Amino acid sequence: SQKIEQNSEALNIQEGKTATLTCNYTNYSPAYLQWYRQDPGRGPVFLLLIRENEKEKRKERLKVTFDTTLKQSLFHITASQPADSATYLCALENDNFNKFYFGSGTKLNVKP
Amino acid sequence: GAVVSQHPSRVICKSGTSVKIECRSLDFQATTMFWYRQFPKQSLMLMATSNEGSKATYEQGVEKDKFLINHASLTLSTLTVTSAHPEDSSFYICSATPGGTGELFFGEGSRLTVL
Repeated sequence: SQKIEQNSEALNIQEGKTATLTCNYTNYSPAYLQWYRQDPGRGPVFLLLIRENEKEKRKERLKVTFDTTLKQSLFHITASQPADSATYLCALENDNFNKFYFGSGTKLNVKP
Repeated sequence: GAVVSQHPSRVICKSGTSVKIECRSLDFQATTMFWYRQFPKQSLMLMATSNEGSKATYEQGVEKDKFLINHASLTLSTLTVTSAHPEDSSFYICSATPGGTGELFFGEGSRLTVL
């Protein structure tokens, strides 16, 4: 079965720097991969979706890359702000394309 | 974006009682909804896929007789935790994807505490 791995250690960075989070998967390559933001006690919020034939996707200060050879996606937040502090989750569909599974998430702390 | 609403946001109950959580898609129709559970500092674990007009599909290890799911309409799915015990205390979150876009929209979550 698919295993989705994210760095469980919190990432602490200074305001203004670029945060880079990693999502690795172990089995089949999904048709697309998604990133979500989750604040404490809240449901996740969709951020970006990148398809297998896309190398990179951008949305404002966010950038996602998808390397199907490495089985890895990188999520970047440029010019980070304290308001970006949250847990970021990556998600993949299963091989039947009818369910979504999530990684454990990486907590980002942006310090002023 | 699409809106998914969940109710109640918090519920405290005694051990042995049943609790119902509602999940509604407010501005789109959802033939499929997903129920997740999240323990503190852990990721979302998919419990089951709720299918409108048919039986839910449960993930391995999830007791379908304990977690009853009903998806009676295109905008409402309910999760009932039957005979709740303290170990069922968790954060339950529902989600749906409108029109097969692939983007999941989540409810606000329901914090269940079983005493």
